[in-house]
Amino acid sequence: QVQLVESGGGVVQPGGSLRLSCAASGFTFSSYGMHWVRQAPGKGLEWVAFIRYDGSNKYYADSVKGRFTISRDNSKNTLYLQMNSLRAEDTAVYYCAKVAGYSSSWYGVLGHWGQGTLVTVSS
Amino acid sequence: DIQMTQSPSSVSASVGDRVTITCRASQGISSWLAWYQQKPGKAPKLLIYAASSLQSGVPSRFSGSGSGTDFTLTISSLQPEDFATYYCQQANSFPPALTFGGGTKVEIK
Repeated sequence: QVQLVESGGGVVQPGGSLRLSCAASGFTFSSYGMHWVRQAPGKGLEWVAFIRYDGSNKYYADSVKGRFTISRDNSKNTLYLQMNSLRAEDTAVYYCAKVAGYSSSWYGVLGHWGQGTLVTVSS
Repeated sequence: DIQMTQSPSSVSASVGDRVTITCRASQGISSWLAWYQQKPGKAPKLLIYAASSLQSGVPSRFSGSGSGTDFTLTISSLQPEDFATYYCQQANSFPPALTFGGGTKVEIK
């Protein structure tokens, strides 16, 4: 069965950096696009970033563009989110999610989600 | 950017009730719409994709309809495990961006 396990969250000061990881199992990781989605405490869902199955294309929300970098290591079945210049408004639970199918028409459908990791940006 | 507006923001209902949640897009998105269910402290779960296709394993009391700008999620007979927050999400403008609605909390009356 599909398993996505995020790690790397924690408390960081404003302006600091953090790298999140998402370990994938139960499917052929190298065949699927992956997303990061976040949820601020008590708030709704906000899409953060996407990477194609082969890492050839990456897309970001305007709110994180230039500060966050999504990447993947298909040999390790792991997705990453490098977060720099963190702000208080980046405080959230960060979820990784697998797209629901192979083809590009599935890129916008998030079929499986991890349990999330909490990032708190505070001095 | 495409904005997604859900209504109501919350609804109180009883077990066995029929519940309808509406999602409106700021511009036409064809059928590029998904619905997710999220329970407190848990990750979202995909219910519906392509506006009306039921994800595998999701009970048939859930259904979706609509195209263009107006969409609905219907729970035909509310069950105790259905009390949760529901989000719509558009994928018409992806890439480069996905957008979620603000969510609808279904509470026990």
